[in-house]
Amino acid sequence: EAQVTQNPRYLITVTGKKLTVTCSQNMNHEYMSWYRQDPGLGLRQIYYSMNVEVTDKGDVPEGYKVSRKEKRNFPLILESPSPNQTSLYFCASTPRGGASSYEQYFGPGTRLTVT
Amino acid sequence: DAKTTQPPSMDCAEGRAANLPCNHSTISGNEYVYWYRQIHSQGPQYIIHGLKNNETNEMASLIITEDRKSSTLILPHATLRDTAVYYCIARTWGGSQGNLIFGKGTKLSVKP
Repeated sequence: EAQVTQNPRYLITVTGKKLTVTCSQNMNHEYMSWYRQDPGLGLRQIYYSMNVEVTDKGDVPEGYKVSRKEKRNFPLILESPSPNQTSLYFCASTPRGGASSYEQYFGPGTRLTVT
Repeated sequence: DAKTTQPPSMDCAEGRAANLPCNHSTISGNEYVYWYRQIHSQGPQYIIHGLKNNETNEMASLIITEDRKSSTLILPHATLRDTAVYYCIARTWGGSQGNLIFGKGTKLSVKP
């Protein structure tokens, strides 16, 4: 089954404790991205990657890091989480090229709480 | 990218057609209209997209006006499971970012 998986689905952590949210897709998609969703602000892109070893900032990259060492994986790293990073996070992947490049496949989401 | 305007909420009776409007009066000739939906805190789900012709798939139909300034997503026989927030997005495909800009969308409530 074609899917995007994220782990963990729920995480409660404390300020400053480094964490990683994993994202994996099994569709051989070139393009992957991370979004965060907050009430009243909608979905905002954090980082994206066009292919292995190619990453770039989205609209709200501050406080986050990413890496793309393999095509299928795109982890989101919070080196020193702060309470304002409490949010619902979504990973997405997209095949490259053509109008279908906007048929993004989203993961189930990771609800992060930073206290 | 063209800005889209959608009503904040709509109700629909179960089994009836749900017609969700979207205005995109500043859309340019190479911008597609995409529809996604998000069922309570789940990941957004792609529904359909189109450029200027009407489109239909197993989930929905997309009607785009001739001047392309507005469109309507039609769910022909709404069920309770169609209750969700529906997002209309106008975007040029291709390019380097592929960032979909989700607005506030329309919260569709399907009632028995």
